[in-house]
Amino acid sequence: GENVEQHPSTLSVQEGDSAVIKCTYSDSASNYFPWYKQELGKRPQLIIDIRSNVGEKKDQRIAVTLNKTAKHFSLHITETQPEDSAVYFCAASSGGSYIPTFGRGTSLIVHP
Amino acid sequence: DTGVSQDPRHKITKRGQNVTFRCDPISEHNRLYWYRQTLGQGPEFLTYFQNEAQLEKSRLLSDRFSAERPKGSFSTLEIQRTEQGDSAMYLCATRQGAKAEQYFGPGTRLTVT
Repeated sequence: GENVEQHPSTLSVQEGDSAVIKCTYSDSASNYFPWYKQELGKRPQLIIDIRSNVGEKKDQRIAVTLNKTAKHFSLHITETQPEDSAVYFCAASSGGSYIPTFGRGTSLIVHP
Repeated sequence: DTGVSQDPRHKITKRGQNVTFRCDPISEHNRLYWYRQTLGQGPEFLTYFQNEAQLEKSRLLSDRFSAERPKGSFSTLEIQRTEQGDSAMYLCATRQGAKAEQYFGPGTRLTVT
């Protein structure tokens, strides 16, 4: 089955800095890679996703890059703000059922 | 609120009791997923429905767990003879047709004492 590794487990940055979270996956058939943000006590919310036929996708301060050859993908947040503080999960899935395997999460702390 | 809803939000039960959780999807979403999330971990897939058909079940889903979606709308997840290891957040997520984006409910936090 799919295995998704996520690093780092904790990331502490100053407001205005950039943050990068990296994930690797094992199944070369994986073709859909979502990222979720989960604030304390809240539900996971999709913030950005990328499909295997695309190398990069950007949405305002958030971007995701995918390297299929190396089987890794990354989340980039620029100009971080305190409200970006949360746990971020990457995931990978294959096929039409889109059943994801999640990473263990990265706790992002943005200091004002 | 027209998002995914789950009931109850919290459940405390004694070991050995049965519990049932409910998930109500966004109205036009015909795909439904159940996950379990423990502290410090990402959600772990349990089972997947397309309309009323249960198409996938994880090996995590022991025979004490059963899920249904009788009319292709709401779904229930039942855990029989609960164990302390069942303590977790149980999340439901839904999506529409061929779209990949899943929308999560607020979860049901289960505590088994």
